[in-house]
Amino acid sequence: AQKITQTQPGMFVQEKEAVTLDCTYDTSDQSYGLFWYKQPSSGEMIFLIYQGSYDEQNATEGRYSLNFQKARKSANLVISASQLGDSAMYFCAMIRAGGTSYGKLTFGQGTILTVHP
Amino acid sequence: DSGVTQTPKHLITATGQRVTLRCSPRSGDLSVYWYQQSLDQGLQFLIQYYNGEERAKGNILERFSAQQFPDLHSELNLSSLELGDSALYFCASSVEGGSIRETQYFGPGTRLLVL
Repeated sequence: AQKITQTQPGMFVQEKEAVTLDCTYDTSDQSYGLFWYKQPSSGEMIFLIYQGSYDEQNATEGRYSLNFQKARKSANLVISASQLGDSAMYFCAMIRAGGTSYGKLTFGQGTILTVHP
Repeated sequence: DSGVTQTPKHLITATGQRVTLRCSPRSGDLSVYWYQQSLDQGLQFLIQYYNGEERAKGNILERFSAQQFPDLHSELNLSSLELGDSALYFCASSVEGGSIRETQYFGPGTRLLVL
C-alpha cells in the first residue's frame, strides 16, 4: 500500500524568506501523481501544485515549486518569498494509476507552516 | 473558490441520529469523491462516484452510504452516528477520475459534530 510521510509537524519561516516542506512517499508503482494542498485555518483545501512520476521537469506554479527526486521518493514543496497569508497546514498527497485505489488520494499527516512578520 | 459546493457548512447532531451531506461538483466534472478529516485519522478517502456509478471505495463504514444523482450532485448519508464520527467531511470533484494527472478540487467541507 502507498504511504505519504511528512516528518515536519510544524515549520516557522520569516516573511519574504523561502521555506521547504518535506514529503516522502512509498510506492512500488511506476506511474503516480503527487499533489500539494494548502488548508488555511478556515478549513478549505486549496490545490497548489502537481508533479507526475514521468515528468522530467520539476513543477512550478508561481511562488510554489516542487523539488521532485524520484530515486529518493521525495517531493518537497518549496515556497519562495513567504507571505503572512501562507500560514496554513500543507498536505502532500499521492494518486496511483488504476487498481483498487482508482481515483483515491492518499494524504500525509500535514505540516503546519507559520510565517512570522 | 474551487467551484465545488457543499451543504450544510456545519451540522450538530446527537448520537444515533442520521444526517445527509450534500455536494455539487464543478461544472463539467463527472467524478465526485468524499473524504473524512479527523484529528486521529487525518484525511481519509471514503468513496468515489463517476457519472452516477460507484468507482472506488476506501475506508467507509457500513453505516455510511453515498450516491451520485443524474444531475451529478452527490449525497453522503451517515447513520447511527457515534461520537467518533465527528469530523470535517470534504467532497471533491474532477473531470473524469482515475487519471494520475487529474486534479481533485475540494469543496469547503461540512463540519459535523456529534454530541
